[in-house]
Amino acid sequence: AQKITQTQPGMFVQEKEAVTLDCTYDTSDQSYGLFWYKQPSSGEMIFLIYQGSYDEQNATEGRYSLNFQKARKSANLVISASQLGDSAMYFCAMRETQGAQKLVFGQGTRLTINP
Amino acid sequence: DTGVSQNPRHKITKRGQNVTFRCDPISEHNRLYWYRQTLGQGPEFLTYFQNEAQLEKSRLLSDRFSAERPKGSFSTLEIQRTEQGDSAMYLCASSQPGLAGAPSAGELFFGEGSRLTVL
Repeated sequence: AQKITQTQPGMFVQEKEAVTLDCTYDTSDQSYGLFWYKQPSSGEMIFLIYQGSYDEQNATEGRYSLNFQKARKSANLVISASQLGDSAMYFCAMRETQGAQKLVFGQGTRLTINP
Repeated sequence: DTGVSQNPRHKITKRGQNVTFRCDPISEHNRLYWYRQTLGQGPEFLTYFQNEAQLEKSRLLSDRFSAERPKGSFSTLEIQRTEQGDSAMYLCASSQPGLAGAPSAGELFFGEGSRLTVL
């Protein structure tokens, strides 16, 4: 079974600083996909970034980058130049490659950006 | 608005009552998922539809829960005889099919959720 672990319940960062949110995963699959979602207080889950297990380069999307270390089974999210609007819950997730292809989520990290 | 739509956004009910939530996915998406999220936790998978067929159900989906997607478009999630432990956010998501056996960058698109409070 797939499992995602996020060990940081909360993070506090000053505006404009970079922040790293940790994510480790466990799977026996050779092929898998890793996602990060942002959930503001409104409740909607917003897709941020994706990394495929066979992708040779770390994924980047604007201010978001994914530090993918396959041997360590980690997929940390890096947010550069944080903004007040980045304050939200952040979830790491793994997607099955068979069947329902559902996402399995971690417990989440609450990020607070201080002015 | 062409995103995933969920109704109602908020529902307060008394224990023992039945409630129904509706999800309208993105029109060209044939995959539809229901998740439950309790306070401070990540979403937990409940059930999955491909078109009108319900292909997977979680053990979390007790006999009091039923989901349908009658024409392969919108879906409903009904909870009968609600209990206080059912209080949660119920999230719906849709996606395009990915290639079997291959990771897919086709992310799940989520609605804003339906928050249930059982008194």
